[in-house]
Amino acid sequence: ETGVTQTPRHLVMGMTNKKSLKCEQHLGHNAMYWYKQSAKKPLELMFVYSLEERVENNSVPSRFSPECPNSSHLFLHLHTLQPEDSALYLCASSQDLKGDTEAFFGQGTRLTVV
Amino acid sequence: TQLLEQSPQFLSIQEGENLTVYCNSSSVFSSLQWYRQEPGEGPVLLVTVVTGGEVKKLKRLTFQFGDARKDSSLHITAAQPGDTGLYLCAGMDSGAGSYQLTFGKGTKLSVIP
Repeated sequence: ETGVTQTPRHLVMGMTNKKSLKCEQHLGHNAMYWYKQSAKKPLELMFVYSLEERVENNSVPSRFSPECPNSSHLFLHLHTLQPEDSALYLCASSQDLKGDTEAFFGQGTRLTVV
Repeated sequence: TQLLEQSPQFLSIQEGENLTVYCNSSSVFSSLQWYRQEPGEGPVLLVTVVTGGEVKKLKRLTFQFGDARKDSSLHITAAQPGDTGLYLCAGMDSGAGSYQLTFGKGTKLSVIP
């Protein structure tokens, strides 16, 4: 039990669908992250939130829209995705944004866009 | 853009063997972390190294941070099937005002019983 829970674990969606990924952390952390993990590529940071404010957005297409309503919850809203967006989407949280802080990852959502 | 190169990409060994995997960069990092990711799971932090030349041990795993803080190695002694997984290194450059960990592509380790 990592304390970071992601739902759903698996998602298949069409290119015209709208869906949302959910992440919840019970660790009392102040920072939350979305990462994308594709085959043969390094983990790519998508978004960073600290105290519910977005502090980093790494040139992610607008078809991905994050939402952080409170420090325990993080969403990733998806619409009009492309097949190349198929990947494992990982949520993580950490106590703060310091360099040596530990990131706790969820189990991920395996997304397939058809 | 800071890049972390991990080698080898794949490693398959027999139970009981020793192995070393590497994480190299041309950039300096203020800290470096090693994670292990098992199939169907998210990465789990193994260790964080901060000081150049630092060596940390976690049971049969020995981690070393290079003197110049540009590279790191992970040595596993007497590998067990439970060590199987994807080993990821990730560097943080807190001096750049960025909050992101730069990850390598990982080394996929298989330990055969």
